[in-house]
Amino acid sequence: EIVLTQSPGTLSLSPGERATLSCRASQTFSSGYLAWYQQRPGQAPRLLIYSTSGRAAGIPERFSGSRSGTDFTLTISGLEPKDSAVYYCQQYGASPPYTFGQGTKLEIK
Amino acid sequence: QVQLVQSGAEVKKPGSSVKVSCKSSGGSFRNYAISWVRQAPGQGLEWVGGIIPMDGTTNYAQNFQGRVTMTTDEFTNTAYMELSSLRSDDTAVYYCASGDASSTSRYFYYYHGMDVWGQGTTVTVSS
Repeated sequence: EIVLTQSPGTLSLSPGERATLSCRASQTFSSGYLAWYQQRPGQAPRLLIYSTSGRAAGIPERFSGSRSGTDFTLTISGLEPKDSAVYYCQQYGASPPYTFGQGTKLEIK
Repeated sequence: QVQLVQSGAEVKKPGSSVKVSCKSSGGSFRNYAISWVRQAPGQGLEWVGGIIPMDGTTNYAQNFQGRVTMTTDEFTNTAYMELSSLRSDDTAVYYCASGDASSTSRYFYYYHGMDVWGQGTTVTVSS
């Protein structure tokens, strides 16, 4: 089973700044099938990024994903108050279980 | 645009079973996989398992093996998750989520993650 470890646990930034969220996998997996989801309070998760760096439909260019080995990064530029949420990474391309990271809470001050 | 609509909240006794439904509107989910993801109060997301209706391949997380059964009804485009031997720590919001997918002989896999989510079903287990 692939374990995903996200950091930091909480990130507090100001509007207009850039957020960098990390997701480290316990082992390499081919195909780069890693996704990022945003979950606002009281809402279902929403797909932001798939296959490491592909933006889902309707997701603005401010959201971008990248990879270096087993380290995956979600970058959000030009932060807006509505970006306040918990962000989760998930691997979905190696064999199941399709585990999630524990989440990073992003607060916009 | 595909939408997933889940059944309503459930309150169950410990030891009983619950069956949650997830109906797809706006198109068939035959070529999609449906996963079930749960979220305990104040906690993160936990993948329970999933099914691809195309060939019925199911994969369950180890924690739920023997207690969970996932099925689909292609005539009504509805997916079901049944969880048995309920315990208090099964109290959670259960989401269904879909995405285009395929399968090998042993497991299914998504192409682009899970891009459509249901609204969630709260399951409360209490005596």
